[in-house]
Amino acid sequence: AQKVTQAQTEISVVEKEDVTLDCVYETRDTTYYLFWYKQPPSGELVFLIRRNSFDEQNEISGRYSWNFQKSTSSFNFTITASQVVDSAVYFCALSEARSGAGGSYIPTFGRGTSLIVHP
Amino acid sequence: GAVVSQHPSRVICKSGTSVKIECRSLDFQATTMFWYRQFPKKSLMLMATSNEGSKATYEQGVEKDKFLINHASLTLSTLTVTSAHPEDSSFYICSATREWGKETQYFGPGTRLLVL
Repeated sequence: AQKVTQAQTEISVVEKEDVTLDCVYETRDTTYYLFWYKQPPSGELVFLIRRNSFDEQNEISGRYSWNFQKSTSSFNFTITASQVVDSAVYFCALSEARSGAGGSYIPTFGRGTSLIVHP
Repeated sequence: GAVVSQHPSRVICKSGTSVKIECRSLDFQATTMFWYRQFPKKSLMLMATSNEGSKATYEQGVEKDKFLINHASLTLSTLTVTSAHPEDSSFYICSATREWGKETQYFGPGTRLLVL
């Protein structure tokens, strides 16, 4: 079973539309971290947000907002008034502590959602 | 802060040759570095985890003799693809974590490898 599910493979919107990217995760850990990354065509992963499992506050950063709900194991990402520059693949990731890895948190990435914003 | 670089950004090589990719943490000491592989339109797949001065821990299914990882210092890890073949063509991404805040990985810009 996938630990991180991004059910939307591709979303196509017209500029200025709002769009929500879904992310559902699965873990037995009480301490974990959730991330969203943006990967534009250049390939470089751009960090967007990190949220720990004890902080369920939603966050807004400009046109971006995130809705973390532990009750449904979801960490959805909304872009308001989308722009062409938002076109990219967006990855949701879950980081859990891995035993025997020197305390490392190893992220598991979802399959990504390709967002296409048309002018 | 927390900048990670990779070199080269793009490499084309002939089948049978070996290719070395460098990953450097520029403004912090990376206690742990990670190597990922990404196929077109696919997600990132963790290949191995390396700690400075010790052997890398490879994920299941990743050939350690094929993908040699050396983490010689707290700012440098290298991935060598030995005797590369066309199926090794991929996008390779490294990441690094600090001693504190290990839950956050800082990613390099990636290296596109094309084996002819």
